[in-house]
Amino acid sequence: DVKVTQSSRYLVKRTGEKVFLECVQDMDHENMFWYRQDPGLGLRLIYFSYDVKMKEKGDIPEGYSVSREKKERFSLILESASTNQTSMYLCASSPGVAAFFGQGTRLTVV
Amino acid sequence: QQQVKQSPQSLIVQKGGISIINCAYENTAFDYFPWYQQFPGKGPALLIAIRPDVSEKKEGRFTISFNKSAKQFSLHIMDSQPGDSATYFCAASPYTDKLIFGTGTRLQVFP
Repeated sequence: DVKVTQSSRYLVKRTGEKVFLECVQDMDHENMFWYRQDPGLGLRLIYFSYDVKMKEKGDIPEGYSVSREKKERFSLILESASTNQTSMYLCASSPGVAAFFGQGTRLTVV
Repeated sequence: QQQVKQSPQSLIVQKGGISIINCAYENTAFDYFPWYQQFPGKGPALLIAIRPDVSEKKEGRFTISFNKSAKQFSLHIMDSQPGDSATYFCAASPYTDKLIFGTGTRLQVFP
């Protein structure tokens, strides 16, 4: 079974903090994605990566950056956390089309 | 053109009934249409998917119906069970690209 592991289930951070969300997949997938999930808005793509050291902006990249130094690991960085970034963050990996999601990180920014 | 519109937002069905969730899209380049199921506290999991070269795909109690000319597709859950209570997301992509998700439908199946 594909396993996508997000480092934290719950996080509480203060406004202005730099926040790192980590994601690791164990299936040697080329593609990795970061989404945020908000009620009534569904899943919205923040950033994605098709290869190591490559990244592309999704639909809502503002306030976020990403890092992919190794194939199995994709990190989402909130440079200066704000309250409007309080959300559920979901990482996914894909061999090409079907995406496999992690369990999510619920981030609260206070 | 990148949107996928999903309805209803919430759905209440009695055990044994049929649950129907609808999605519509505009972009004719979309070539892959999956449905994801998400239970509380979990990430979405792929449930069933269809390509536009077929009009229907069935896996157990779950069926996708696809209408290419109308640019619509729907998920039918036959003999709905309380264990089906979850949030369902439709999605679409031009096959080799990123998924565009609908806004989700919260299904509650009562005994």
